Amino acid sequence: EAGVAQSPRYKIIEKRQSVAFWCNPISGHATLYWYQQILGQGPKLLIQFQNNGVVDDSQLPKDRFSAERLKGVDSTLKIQPAKLEDSAVYLCASSSGQTNTEAFFGQGTRLTVV
Amino acid sequence: AQSVTQLDSHVSVSEGTPVLLRCNYSSSYSPSLFWYVQHPNKGLQLLLKYTSAATLVKGINGFEAEFKKSETSFHLTKPSAHMSDAAEYFCGYQAGTALIFGKGTTLSVSS
Repeated sequence: EAGVAQSPRYKIIEKRQSVAFWCNPISGHATLYWYQQILGQGPKLLIQFQNNGVVDDSQLPKDRFSAERLKGVDSTLKIQPAKLEDSAVYLCASSSGQTNTEAFFGQGTRLTVV
Repeated sequence: AQSVTQLDSHVSVSEGTPVLLRCNYSSSYSPSLFWYVQHPNKGLQLLLKYTSAATLVKGINGFEAEFKKSETSFHLTKPSAHMSDAAEYFCGYQAGTALIFGKGTTLSVSS
């Protein structure tokens, strides 16, 4: 079974530039998550989709971050404009959406804002 | 409100000695708790999950955790550490279908 795919693996941008990350979840998984993991901290949930609808985006900085999951499959996370404090690893995960099922994580995109 | 606290930011052990990574939780009802492991440059992997079926939960790679309601703890243990166990470990809980992670514990294993 193919895992969660993310691209790019690494990205370096200057502050105030924009950037986009892409995630392809495991086939058939209804739930998709985006997490932000700052160095030395645990992953923080940014947004959770159920199919193509948003379940929770309470911690997404909506003035600069946006995410979409068109057709309930792939998802993109965008930052515009980026700030230095956005430097982190952005993790995508997916699960079947049923209660108490495992979430599978991609390898993440490491973003450095200079 | 629910929360988890990982009591140690860094744990160092020698190969072949026991591992203990501590996690306390706060919840007004029976929580769904888990441990994930993150190896360098790899994705997070589920080690084990407690869902109230049994208080002692066995996971992958010889790890296990015991849910102790009286102590509000869910500590992760392994009888004998291997070099390959060196990684970042995250305790957390499930709120609905969302996963909420603690701050993590770095496990170092020396030969």
